[in-house]
Amino acid sequence: AQTVTQSQPEMSVQEAETVTLSCTYDTSESDYYLFWYKQPPSRQMILVIRQEAYKQQNATENRFSVNFQKAAKSFSLKISDSQLGDAAMYFCAYRSPYYGGSQGNLIFGKGTKLSVKP
Amino acid sequence: EADIYQTPRYLVIGTGKKITLECSQTMGHDKMYWYQQDPGMELHLIHYSYGVNSTEKGDLSSESTVSRIRTEHFPLTLESARPSHTSQYLCASSEFNPFGTSNTGELFFGEGSRLTVL
Repeated sequence: AQTVTQSQPEMSVQEAETVTLSCTYDTSESDYYLFWYKQPPSRQMILVIRQEAYKQQNATENRFSVNFQKAAKSFSLKISDSQLGDAAMYFCAYRSPYYGGSQGNLIFGKGTKLSVKP
Repeated sequence: EADIYQTPRYLVIGTGKKITLECSQTMGHDKMYWYQQDPGMELHLIHYSYGVNSTEKGDLSSESTVSRIRTEHFPLTLESARPSHTSQYLCASSEFNPFGTSNTGELFFGEGSRLTVL
């Protein structure tokens, strides 16, 4: 079964600096999808960035980028020029390309709580 | 913007009461989910549905039940609430395409229903 591991329960970054959140996963599949979700305090969980495993190019969305290392099964999130509004729980998630049974469900890591210091 | 709505946002009730948490989405998504999450903690999938008249149990056993009579509506019910049910409940939806992988299956979340049972 696939697993997702976020080894940093909490991280802290100074405003305007860069921070990297780690995520590793375990799978025997060659094609899959990876996601980073952001959950601000008492607010809606939103998708930050997605990566399809067959794409070698790392995904980028404005200040957010990933470092996808398929062989190492690593999918870290880099936040550049950190802002106070980036403070949130960040969840890494994996999805199989299959849809049968529970295979199509996202598998989430336990999350990393990011604090941003002014 | 995600068009998925949960009501109530906050609910405080006494032990033994029956409660229903409502979830509706206007995106036409076939697949819907319920997650249970204690504040600042990991997500636990408790129920999901592939479409009308489909309901499946998730990874975490729950005393709650769900129904899916309409595509857009996926309510969760607790027949007799207990203090151990105190938690946040997140509803989500996604596209479901068993015949191809043209979509990534990302989840869209509601704002959550925070339940407190006294």
